[in-house]
Amino acid sequence: LAKTTQPISMDSYEGQEVNITCSHNNIATNDYITWYQQFPSQGPRFIIQGYKTKVTNEVASLFIPADRKSSTLSLPRVSLSDTAVYYCLVGASTGGFKTIFGAGTRLFVKA
Amino acid sequence: GEEVAQTPKHLVRGEGQKAKLYCAPIKGHSYVFWYQQVLKNEFKFLISFQNENVFDETGMPKERFSAKCLPNSPCSLEIQATKLEDSAVYFCASSQSTYGYTFGSGTRLTVV
Repeated sequence: LAKTTQPISMDSYEGQEVNITCSHNNIATNDYITWYQQFPSQGPRFIIQGYKTKVTNEVASLFIPADRKSSTLSLPRVSLSDTAVYYCLVGASTGGFKTIFGAGTRLFVKA
Repeated sequence: GEEVAQTPKHLVRGEGQKAKLYCAPIKGHSYVFWYQQVLKNEFKFLISFQNENVFDETGMPKERFSAKCLPNSPCSLEIQATKLEDSAVYFCASSQSTYGYTFGSGTRLTVV
């Protein structure tokens, strides 16, 4: 299973764009890249998933270069409520296959 | 409903006692997963089910941990003879399609 590496923490200010990069050098051909957000005392919440190039939804964008050895989660115009831990996961997108969580990136948004 | 329901929210057990955690997956989701989250946000995969069948149990400490997903019942994770290192938050998640897991709010197990 591909292992992921993310920065341990990041600080930002309200209204800024935040980019969190994840390295996954051993990603397999069938693996998808998924990002989750976790607030204290809650379970992780799905943000976005992609396989290659760029994916955008109402909350974030995910950029994946051609070699797929890294990915970048982009959060536009963060607010205080985006303070959370963000996890990058690499694995099969379907079925009961286990997905390995990395240590996550703790994002702290300041006023 | 569209949420994964985990009970209880908190559970305190003395060392050596049994602990049983429950998870009701989202209706229609075929896959159920259990994860253990310990200090520093580290998640450990325990087991996954496809309906009532074990799909992947490579993360389970089999000597004390067991899990079931029976038809028309919540899934369960049971720890016999709990140890201090079992103290963690246990998350259940369910999945059906390609779009990731839906997690419950977790059960915080404290072994004293």
